[in-house]
Formats: sequence, C-alpha cells, structure tokens
Amino acid sequence: SAVISQKPSRDICQRGTSLTIQCQVDSQVTMMFWYRQQPGQSLTLIATANQGSEATYESGFVIDKFPISRPNLTFSTLTVSNMSPEDSSIYLCSAGETSAGVFGSGTQLSVL
Amino acid sequence: GDSVTQMEGPVTLSEEAFLTINCTYTATGYPSLFWYVQYPGEGLQLLLKATKADDKGSNKGFEATYRKETTSFHLEKGSVQVSDSAVYFCALSDQGGADGLTFGKGTHLIIQP
Repeated sequence: SAVISQKPSRDICQRGTSLTIQCQVDSQVTMMFWYRQQPGQSLTLIATANQGSEATYESGFVIDKFPISRPNLTFSTLTVSNMSPEDSSIYLCSAGETSAGVFGSGTQLSVL
Repeated sequence: GDSVTQMEGPVTLSEEAFLTINCTYTATGYPSLFWYVQYPGEGLQLLLKATKADDKGSNKGFEATYRKETTSFHLEKGSVQVSDSAVYFCALSDQGGADGLTFGKGTHLIIQP
C-alpha cells in the first residue's frame, strides 16, 4: 500500500497567520482526503482533494478558510488560514484508491 | 447524514480476556464498514473491513461482522494481549468508497498484564 509523508509533524502558530500542510504519497493515487481531529474528538472529514480541480468541502468547511491544492496524483496541500485558537487540532491526510486508504502521521497544530 | 456510534472508553481488560467493542451506524445507502487502530505514538492504520452485509472482516485475531439488520459492526477478539492497547475507531464509507470516511469517537483500550 502507499506510504504518506506529511509535514510538518507539529507547529505552534500565532493567531491570524496561516499554515500550509503538505502530503506526499510515494505512488499515484486516485483519492486524497483531509481530516481534522480536535482534542478529545473523532476525525472529521474536511474535504476531498480533487486532482486538477477544486476540492469538495464538507458541511461546515469552506475554501477561504481551508484552501486545498492537488496539482498531481501524488501531492496535496491544506492551508489553515487566518488561524484562531479554535483551529488547534491534528490535521491528517489520507490517500488511496478508495476512501479507506492509508493515513499520514498527522500535523499537530497549536494556535496561540 | 451518516453517523457512527461506538462505545466510549477507556476500556480496561486483563491480558487474555475476551474483547468486544460495540459499533452501530446510520447511513443512507449501503456503506462499507471499517475498524482502524491507532497504537501509541503511531498513525492510524486500517485493521479490518467489510463491504457488504454478512461479510466478516478479520486481521491479527480481531473480527467484525457486518450486520445489516442491526446496523452494527462490533469488534471482537478472543484473547487480548498487552500489545493490543490502542485507540480503536469504527468508520463507514458511503457511495462505494468515493466519499471520505465517517468515524466514531474512538475507544481507548487498555490491556493490563
């Protein structure tokens, strides 16, 4: 199965700034997804990253806040924009031929 | 919308005990069902899956059967080990796997020697 490299693994950011998280897969995959895991909560799907077109966002998530790029079949980025302390979470990417793919190790984000 | 409900922990068992972690779901279609595991300090890993009613997924001694009549996918293991200590997530995927996963809240399992 595919191997995912996600970075950074953690970061501490100031409110109002933006952070871009990268997800690199070692092989071409059809599907890539971005999830958020808030403290003590389960994983929530943010969006499906579509290659060559705009991402498909879940209810409650918008492109202005979480812009996503997917320039090819092995790479995607998620940006958390204009951050507030409520954005402190673990962000994970997932990739595979279906939604039940492999997961990256996550990015632990703390916003002060 | 779709949802997954699983028993919340922590669940503490002694080594060699029988394990059941309950999971029920609500979905509009005919979902695929999954159990994921997250060992301490590691990423999320797929443990097992079932794609249609009455299918049984199994891996590493764990089993779960897709029960459409009770909308359940309970995780079981006959004899747990200390190394099974982890957080277990039940999840579903609708739309034939084209959508992302809907996860339960996770169950923290602690196995004591």
